[in-house]
Amino acid sequence: AQSVTQPDIHITVSEGASLELRCNYSYGATPYLFWYVQSPGQGLQLLLKYFSGDTLVQGIKGFEAEFKRSQSSFNLRKPSVHWSDAAEYFCAVGSLGNTGKLIFGQGTTLQVKP
Amino acid sequence: DAGVIQSPRHEVTEMGQEVTLRCKPISGHDYLFWYRQTMMRGLELLIYFNNNVPIDDSGMPEDRFSAKMPNASFSTLKIQPSEPRDSAVYFCASSLVGSGNTIYFGEGSWLTVV
Repeated sequence: AQSVTQPDIHITVSEGASLELRCNYSYGATPYLFWYVQSPGQGLQLLLKYFSGDTLVQGIKGFEAEFKRSQSSFNLRKPSVHWSDAAEYFCAVGSLGNTGKLIFGQGTTLQVKP
Repeated sequence: DAGVIQSPRHEVTEMGQEVTLRCKPISGHDYLFWYRQTMMRGLELLIYFNNNVPIDDSGMPEDRFSAKMPNASFSTLKIQPSEPRDSAVYFCASSLVGSGNTIYFGEGSWLTVV
């Protein structure tokens, strides 16, 4: 079955510390992978996406993610977290053959300590 | 670009009343999605359209829910009659084939049924 798992429901990091949010997927076709961020009361904003090519992708706000096919993972990283990064983060997977239809993980809530 | 526009942003209604949520997708996009977000179930795809035609409505919870897309720039999601368990955030999103499944979300309609 197709699925996306974000193992960490809630993560707390100190401002300035590094961050890694985990995402694992199960998908039969060649996956397209996405990370979205949702601030309180807002919609989902695209952070970055992976389609093909370089497995390390750069996104907005200083985020990056690495696609590891052997581990079925697409973890999101940031070297130094800012207080404004506190939000909920969603990993999602789709495929070319299923245009536009994404499967989302349950989300990880990030809290940033001053 | 104005992005995906949803209305109303917030609605409180009484059980049994009809609720209509509205969406204007990004101009030129050919896919439109309705998602529902709750604490318990996360982000669920309810229905999506391609070129105004419903493609997959398997996520629509029951007959009380209906969605239409009369033209490329407008869609509605209707709940009749509404129930307290329908309380959620409803997101509309759109995408363009060839953009690699990148879905752009509106800011959501926050529905409370009392």
